[in-house]
Amino acid sequence: SQTIHQWPATLVQPVGSPLSLECTVEGTSNPNLYWYRQAAGRGLQLLFYSVGIGQISSEVPQNLSASRPQDRQFILSSKKLLLSDSGFYLCAWGHYRGPGTEAFFGQGTRLTVV
Amino acid sequence: SQQGEEDPQALSIQEGENATMNCSYKTSINNLQWYRQNSGRGLVHLILIRSNEREKHSGRLRVTLDTSKKSSSLLITASRAADTASYFCATGVGGTSGSRLTFGEGTQLTVNP
Repeated sequence: SQTIHQWPATLVQPVGSPLSLECTVEGTSNPNLYWYRQAAGRGLQLLFYSVGIGQISSEVPQNLSASRPQDRQFILSSKKLLLSDSGFYLCAWGHYRGPGTEAFFGQGTRLTVV
Repeated sequence: SQQGEEDPQALSIQEGENATMNCSYKTSINNLQWYRQNSGRGLVHLILIRSNEREKHSGRLRVTLDTSKKSSSLLITASRAADTASYFCATGVGGTSGSRLTFGEGTQLTVNP
């Protein structure tokens, strides 16, 4: 069965510090990978998605970047965090073919920038 | 920008009652999906309805899709306290491996015991 791991669960970082959040998927190959951000009490905003190694699409301009060094690994990074980067970050995978299939989410990372 | 918009933003009902949540979207879609999120956790997929389907059932869940009105509804029958969560609709666009989901703002459902 497929599983998705996302860590850490919570993170408190000072403004200006770097960020690295990691997401890995097991039990499947060549998944589409996604990073979403969720503000408190709000919906999900798609930040990045990847359809293959080294292939990253950015949905919104921001202070963050994403990389996919391996087929089942997706990393969200920042060189210098801003206060506005605080939020709940969710990694997801899916195989969207034809009419589409569902997405499977990790448990999220709550990032607080102080 | 958000594609889907849920209505109402918050819903509070008694256990045993039915809960209905609505979702409207703006552009053509391949499918529409509903997800559930318990507080502080990841999202869990509930049900997917394709653009050529009008109604779908899964246990106590019933989803309808009206592509002419660009709207969908999620009905949870005989609600339980454990159904308390946020519910999101998401629209799938694109038919290739690059397609992705766009989420609405969600409905916070509270089921009182």
